[in-house]
Amino acid sequence: EAGVAQSPRYKIIEKRQSVAFWCNPISGHATLYWYQQILGQGPKLLIQFQNNGVVDDSQLPKDRFSAERLKGVDSTLKIQPAKLEDSAVYLCASSLSVNSGNTIYFGEGSWLTVV
Amino acid sequence: DQQVKQNSPSLSVQEGRISILNCDYTNSMFDYFLWYKKYPAEGPTFLISISSIKDKNEDGRFTVFLNKSAKHLSLHIVPSQPGDSAVYFCAASARRYAGGTSYGKLTFGQGTILTVHP
Repeated sequence: EAGVAQSPRYKIIEKRQSVAFWCNPISGHATLYWYQQILGQGPKLLIQFQNNGVVDDSQLPKDRFSAERLKGVDSTLKIQPAKLEDSAVYLCASSLSVNSGNTIYFGEGSWLTVV
Repeated sequence: DQQVKQNSPSLSVQEGRISILNCDYTNSMFDYFLWYKKYPAEGPTFLISISSIKDKNEDGRFTVFLNKSAKHLSLHIVPSQPGDSAVYFCAASARRYAGGTSYGKLTFGQGTILTVHP
């Protein structure tokens, strides 16, 4: 079974530029998550989708971050304009559904450095 | 507000001995707990989980213990192997939407770096 796919793996941009990350979840997984992991910290949820609807985006900085999941499969996360503090690993994850008890599976992450 | 805490940033253990990683939580709505392992330059991989209706779950060398009254869980690795060296994250989720905790959303601790010496 293919895992969660993410691209690009690495990105270096200057502050105030924009960047977009793509994610393809495990086939059949209805729930998709974007997490941000800053070095030395645990992953923090940015946004959670159930199919193509947003379940939780309470910690998404909406003035600069946006995400969409058209057709309930692939998802993109965009940052515009980027700030230095956005340097982090952006992890996409998926699970069968939102029910507690379903394991969440992570992709390898997209590493962003803002200079 | 750190709802899941791993108070030990690092742990060093000799090969063959037991590794014990600890995790504390504050949100009483959490009912499902997981441990993830993360190698450098990779995403977290699922290791083992436990539901709040249990107090122990075992899978090979890995055992997770849950003490609900103390809001504490621990991961035991016996025997420890050099390949176990990684960052270990504790995570928790809640069944119902309460106090800002989303249904199914995982809240992670800060991680513990485990080093197993040959």
